[in-house]
Amino acid sequence: AQTVTQSQPEMSVQEAETVTLSCTYDTSENNYYLFWYKQPPSRQMILVIRQEAYKQQNATENRFSVNFQKAAKSFSLKISDSQLGDTAMYFCAFMKPGGGGADGLTFGKGTHLIIQP
Amino acid sequence: SQTIHQWPATLVQPVGSPLSLECTVEGTSNPNLYWYRQAAGRGLQLLFYSVGIGQISSEVPQNLSASRPQDRQFILSSKKLLLSDSGFYLCASGRVPGTQYFGPGTRLLVL
Repeated sequence: AQTVTQSQPEMSVQEAETVTLSCTYDTSENNYYLFWYKQPPSRQMILVIRQEAYKQQNATENRFSVNFQKAAKSFSLKISDSQLGDTAMYFCAFMKPGGGGADGLTFGKGTHLIIQP
Repeated sequence: SQTIHQWPATLVQPVGSPLSLECTVEGTSNPNLYWYRQAAGRGLQLLFYSVGIGQISSEVPQNLSASRPQDRQFILSSKKLLLSDSGFYLCASGRVPGTQYFGPGTRLLVL
């Protein structure tokens, strides 16, 4: 079974700073997907960024980028020029494409990110 | 893009009462559908997934069941709720491999 670990329960930074959230995972699979989801106070889960394990290039979405280290099984999220609206719980998630629908997400316990004005 | 609807948004039920939560999906066909539960202050746990009408797989033994009577409808049920069933329930839909989109969720409080 896969496990996802987020070692930072809470982080707080000033607006406009850069912040990095860490995530490690454990798997014996070679092909898989990794995700960062954002959950604001509304509790809607919003996909932030996704990375395919077979791609060496780190995924980037505007101010959000990842540092994917496959050998180290590390998948950190960097948020540049942080904004007040970035305040939320951030979940790292793993998915092994299993076909037949056996591709549910395995989530970490989350990091509560607070952006201070 | 697909839109996922869930209702009710909030539900307060007594222990031992039945439960029915509904999830419907717009903007896609033949999606994989998922039910997750999020306990207070924790990540999400996969409960059920479905690859088609009438096809349900359970990830964890529990007091809940799921059904998929139509292609884009997914229902979470219980005959008798337990206190431990309280939580936040999220429905998700996946079409593109490796990407799941979530509905707004249902807050369930069992008293």
